[in-house]
Amino acid sequence: EAQVTQNPRYLITVTGKKLTVTCSQNMNHEYMSWYRQDPGLGLRQIYYSMNVEVTDKGDVPEGYKVSRKEKRNFPLILESPSPNQTSLYFCASSITLGTGETQYFGPGTRLLVL
Amino acid sequence: DAKTTQPTSMDCAEGRAANLPCNHSTISGNEYVYWYRQIHSQGPQYIIHGLKNNETNEMASLIITEDRKSSTLILPHATLRDTAVYYCIVRAGTYKYIFGTGTRLKVLA
Repeated sequence: EAQVTQNPRYLITVTGKKLTVTCSQNMNHEYMSWYRQDPGLGLRQIYYSMNVEVTDKGDVPEGYKVSRKEKRNFPLILESPSPNQTSLYFCASSITLGTGETQYFGPGTRLLVL
Repeated sequence: DAKTTQPTSMDCAEGRAANLPCNHSTISGNEYVYWYRQIHSQGPQYIIHGLKNNETNEMASLIITEDRKSSTLILPHATLRDTAVYYCIVRAGTYKYIFGTGTRLKVLA
């Protein structure tokens, strides 16, 4: 089954404790992206990757890092989490077909930073 | 990518057509209109996209005005399961996506 998976699905952590949220897709997609969703603010793009070893900032990259060493995986790293990073996080992937591609989203990771 | 404007919320009776408008008056010639929806806090789901012509698939129809400054997503026979937030996005192949806050559609029994 074609899918995007995220782990963990729920996470409670404390300020300053480094964490990684994993994202994996089995569709051989070149493009992957991370979003966060907060009440009243909709979905905001954090980082995206056009292919292996190629990443760029979205609209809200501060406090986050990403890496793309393999095509299927795109982990989101919070080096020193803070309470304002409490949010619902989504990973997505798509084939890069020019302007007609569609994104497939993972189930989300709900993060609480105390 | 062009900015979009959508109503904050809409109601629709079950079984009736739901017509969700989107204004994108600054759209340029090579920008596509995409629609996604998000049910509860699940990951957003692709619905449909188009450039100039009207499009239809098993989920919905997309009507784009001739001047391309606005579009309407039509769910022909809304069901309770169509209650969701619907996002209209305009983009031209750049790698950034701007989702906005969308329209909260409530289908009423």
